[in-house]
Amino acid sequence: AQSVTQPDIHITVSEGASLELRCNYSYGATPYLFWYVQSPGQGLQLLLKYFSGDTLVQGIKGFEAEFKRSQSSFNLRKPSVHWSDAAEYFCAVDSGGGADGLTFGKGTHLIIQP
Amino acid sequence: EADIYQTPRYLVIGTGKKITLECSQTMGHDKMYWYQQDPGMELHLIHYSYGVNSTEKGDLSSESTVSRIRTEHFPLTLESARPSHTSQYLCASSGTSGSETGELFFGEGSRLTVL
Repeated sequence: AQSVTQPDIHITVSEGASLELRCNYSYGATPYLFWYVQSPGQGLQLLLKYFSGDTLVQGIKGFEAEFKRSQSSFNLRKPSVHWSDAAEYFCAVDSGGGADGLTFGKGTHLIIQP
Repeated sequence: EADIYQTPRYLVIGTGKKITLECSQTMGHDKMYWYQQDPGMELHLIHYSYGVNSTEKGDLSSESTVSRIRTEHFPLTLESARPSHTSQYLCASSGTSGSETGELFFGEGSRLTVL
């Protein structure tokens, strides 16, 4: 069965600093990979996704992620964070086709220091 | 902007009550899902549907039931709520065409508290 690991439960970053959130997946073939963001009391919003092709994926709000097959990773990055980026971030994997939903990691809570 | 709506957003009820959480989407998506999310935890899939008259149980066992009589509507029902059902319930849908493949569109969630 596929699984997703987000090793960092909490990350604190100063406003304007760079950010990297880690995500590792377990799946035999190349999965579909997603990053979602959840603000307090809200649903999840898609930041970006990887299906195939270029391993560096650009998303909304200035986020990008890089798929590394050799490391089974799909880390999320942003060169300069804003206070509004404070939220919960979820990495997710799909075995293909979205037939039975996505498998999510436990999330990383991002705190922005002024 | 995703067009998927959940009601109620917040609900506090007593033990033993029957409740239905509503979920509607206007995107014409065939696939719909219910996830349960506890604070600080990952989302767990409890139900999903491929289309009208299709319902399947997800990875996490749940005492809730769902129905799919119309494409746009996927309500979740608890016949007799218990404190262990206290959680946030997220509804999602997904399309099958082009760039939408695999992507889930989420509602804002229904936070249920059972006293």
